[in-house]
Amino acid sequence: DVKVTQSSRYLVKRTGEKVFLECVQDMDHENMFWYRQDPGLGLRLIYFSYDVKMKEKGDIPEGYSVSREKKERFSLILESASTNQTSMYLCASSGEGLAGDEQYFGPGTRLTVT
Amino acid sequence: SQQGEEDPQALSIQEGENATMNCSYKTSINNLQWYRQNSGRGLVHLILIRSNEREKHSGRLRVTLDTSKKSSSLLITASRAADTASYFCATDAWTGRRALTFGSGTRLQVQP
Repeated sequence: DVKVTQSSRYLVKRTGEKVFLECVQDMDHENMFWYRQDPGLGLRLIYFSYDVKMKEKGDIPEGYSVSREKKERFSLILESASTNQTSMYLCASSGEGLAGDEQYFGPGTRLTVT
Repeated sequence: SQQGEEDPQALSIQEGENATMNCSYKTSINNLQWYRQNSGRGLVHLILIRSNEREKHSGRLRVTLDTSKKSSSLLITASRAADTASYFCATDAWTGRRALTFGSGTRLQVQP
């Protein structure tokens, strides 16, 4: 069965801390994505990756970076967390080369920055 | 900017009734997808319709696509309390970027 896992369901961090959110998929998918979800704004794409060590900026990359050293793992990094990064973070993966087909989502990480 | 915009933002119906949600988008697409999200959880893919298709069915779901109007609708027939969730449309558009663009969703409440 298809599976995307995220390292934490809930996370509380202080302003200025460096935060790592991990995502692992077991489907051998080429494409992986990080979104944030805020009430009334839907899902907004932060970064995505279509291959190991490859990354592309999404709509809201400011304040974030990513790392993809292995095919199955895609990490989102908040270099210096701020209160406006309090949100639900969703990771997804897809197997098609053009990344336009069905995406499989993890359960999400609800991050609170105080 | 939002490529897909759902309408209505919220919908409340009784069990057994049909629920219709609409999605409008702005640019030409390769495909349009519908996802469901239960409260506080990740999204689950429901159905994908390609730009050369007009209608698609999956169980109690029926999706239509009108590329001339740049719109799609999701119909859930004979709704159940378990259908209570948020529903999102997502478009794979001809923008050169290899990623989906999601709308802000419709919150569906099915009263038992």
